[in-house]
Amino acid sequence: DTGVSQNPRHKITKRGQNVTFRCDPISEHNRLYWYRQTLGQGPEFLTYFQNEAQLEKSRLLSDRFSAERPKGSFSTLEIQRTEQGDSAMYLCATHEAPLGGYTFGSGTRLTVV
Amino acid sequence: DAKTTQPTSMDCAEGRAANLPCNHSTISGNEYVYWYRQIHSQGPQYIIHGLKNNETNEMASLIITEDRKSSTLILPHATLRDTAVYYCIVRHLQTGANNLFFGTGTRLTVIP
Repeated sequence: DTGVSQNPRHKITKRGQNVTFRCDPISEHNRLYWYRQTLGQGPEFLTYFQNEAQLEKSRLLSDRFSAERPKGSFSTLEIQRTEQGDSAMYLCATHEAPLGGYTFGSGTRLTVV
Repeated sequence: DAKTTQPTSMDCAEGRAANLPCNHSTISGNEYVYWYRQIHSQGPQYIIHGLKNNETNEMASLIITEDRKSSTLILPHATLRDTAVYYCIVRHLQTGANNLFFGTGTRLTVIP
C-alpha cells in the first residue's frame, strides 16, 4: 500500500464519549501530521510528529485531545469527553523530505450527537 | 508564513485551460508556493510547488511572477474530475514542523 490509511472512515458518537482514530502512514515517511477540517473551511493544523517525537501542538489541541505515535509508525488521535464542536473531518498527512508534498489520507469524519 | 488571497470560486469549460490565481504579496525570499486540491470527501492532494522559476509536472503548471507576489496554477485541459477546491499555500522551510496553513481556497467547477 503506497498511501496513507485512516480508520475508521466515519464515526458517530454520543457527546461525552471517548473516540480514537488511527493513521497508518507511508512507511518511509518520518513526518506525520494531524489536521482538522470543518465544513467550508480548509484543514487546520493540530499536531506534528517526527518519528515518535511529538514536536508541535496547535492551540486547537485542547487537553481533551491526545496524539501518539509509538515506535514512529502508526499514529492515534484520541478525543476524550467529546463535544458537538468536535464534529469535523480529521485528516492525517505524512511526508518524507522537507521540500516534498504532503500525502493525505481520506480522513475520519466524526459526528458527535 | 505569508498569507495568500484566492478567489472564492471559478468556473471553467471542460477541455479548456483553467487558470487559478493566487496573491502572496508578503512572500519572503525563502518561502515556497505550494498548491493542493481537495476533491469532495477526500483528503487534500499535492499538485505542485515552486520557488522562483515556473514549474510543470504531469498535473499542472505553476507560473510565478518575477516579483514573486503572485502565481497562477494552470490546468491545461480541465476535465470534470478537476472539479475541486484548490489551495494556494506559502510555506517557509525551517527545521520545525513545516506545517501547512490552508485558507479557504478556490472552488473550481468544470462545466461540461
